[in-house]
Amino acid sequence: DAGVIQSPRHEVTEMGQEVTLRCKPISGHNSLFWYRQTMMRGLELLIYFNNNVPIDDSGMPEDRFSAKMPNASFSTLKIQPSEPRDSAVYFCASSWTGTGDSNEQFFGPGTRLTVL
Amino acid sequence: RKEVEQDPGPFNVPEGATVAFNCTYSNSASQSFFWYRQDCRKEPKLLMSVYSSGNEDGRFTAQLNRASQYISLLIRDSKLSDSATYLCVVNPSRYSSASKIIFGSGTRLSIRP
Repeated sequence: DAGVIQSPRHEVTEMGQEVTLRCKPISGHNSLFWYRQTMMRGLELLIYFNNNVPIDDSGMPEDRFSAKMPNASFSTLKIQPSEPRDSAVYFCASSWTGTGDSNEQFFGPGTRLTVL
Repeated sequence: RKEVEQDPGPFNVPEGATVAFNCTYSNSASQSFFWYRQDCRKEPKLLMSVYSSGNEDGRFTAQLNRASQYISLLIRDSKLSDSATYLCVVNPSRYSSASKIIFGSGTRLSIRP
């Protein structure tokens, strides 16, 4: 079975450029999460969607960041304009969320972003 | 104070040793607890959930202490393949429909031959 798919796996761009990260969650999952990981700050939740609706975007650092989930099988995280401090690994994760305890989140392989 | 705090390590122990990590959380209403494992340059993966009564999965034992607000992970008979970063994870919400979980910064474990 395919897991969470992310693209690109690596992205090197120059400051000021627009960056778009893509994610395809596991089929049947109804929650999708975008995380950012750096050595200094660890793994931070940026935003999550439930049934394609953004539920909590309090982790989105600033207006330069935006995320969309137009349908159950696709989400994007966009940074415009990008800055060197955005350099990090960006993970997408998905899960099935229903009644009961939180369910396991399955992570994609991540996108390693470098902004020069 | 961080919502979830872990000793970053690194813990450097010989193969076969027993090693334990603790993790503290600040929200007393937290409902669900997990340990995830992350290998170098890989994504995090669920290692085990942590139940109130404590639970064991092979060489791994997880414990929850609600009174002191900490969870622990014990690894017995450690293997070289256990070398990884172990992330403590807490769901701070009382409501399961709010699926946000908080990750600790991780404890690095290195097993030496």
